Amino acid sequence: DGGITQSPKYLFRKEGQNVTLSCEQNLNHDAMYWYRQDPGQGLRLIYYSQIVNDFQKGDIAEGYSVSREKKESFPLTVTSAQKNPTAFYLCASSVIREKRNGYTFGSGTRLTVV
Amino acid sequence: DAKTTQPTSMDCAEGRAANLPCNHSTISGNEYVYWYRQIHSQGPQYIIHGLKNNETNEMASLIITEDRKSSTLILPHATLRDTAVYYCIVGAAGNKLTFGGGTRVLVKP
Repeated sequence: DGGITQSPKYLFRKEGQNVTLSCEQNLNHDAMYWYRQDPGQGLRLIYYSQIVNDFQKGDIAEGYSVSREKKESFPLTVTSAQKNPTAFYLCASSVIREKRNGYTFGSGTRLTVV
Repeated sequence: DAKTTQPTSMDCAEGRAANLPCNHSTISGNEYVYWYRQIHSQGPQYIIHGLKNNETNEMASLIITEDRKSSTLILPHATLRDTAVYYCIVGAAGNKLTFGGGTRVLVKP
């Protein structure tokens, strides 16, 4: 079955360490997105990519970095520069050119920095 | 992207229809209305989307006003498993979508 996979589901890191969250999709979707969600809040866009080797900053890109070397993969690195990294991180993908349903989301990674 | 306004929360009785309103008065001609829902600690789930016409699928119906400035998501027979946060979003097909706070729906027995 096609889908989007985020790993790991839970991640614990010490303060000051960089950490990379994985996102893989086998839907042949063009675009991929990373969102952050804090408790009781909506989703905020971190980065997005509409084509391989290209990506754009979202609303809260500071302290994060991404790469898009393959269409299927869009890993997110939470760097030590991110002031408050503990959050729920969601990856999504979508088709660009077709007028279809919007996003398919992964099940999320809950990052806790101690 | 156009912004949306939704009530913060609403309750619904099990078995009854749940009508979730959304205002999107600044929607552009090429922007769709999308609805997603998020059950606690899971990724959001696509429900339905539409451009101008009303839409229906196995999960819900979407009613869009003629001027496209507002819409209503209808869950015809709410169940306890429909308790979730429901997000109304507008955006062009394939473009990044901006999620607001959503409506927290509680279905009560």
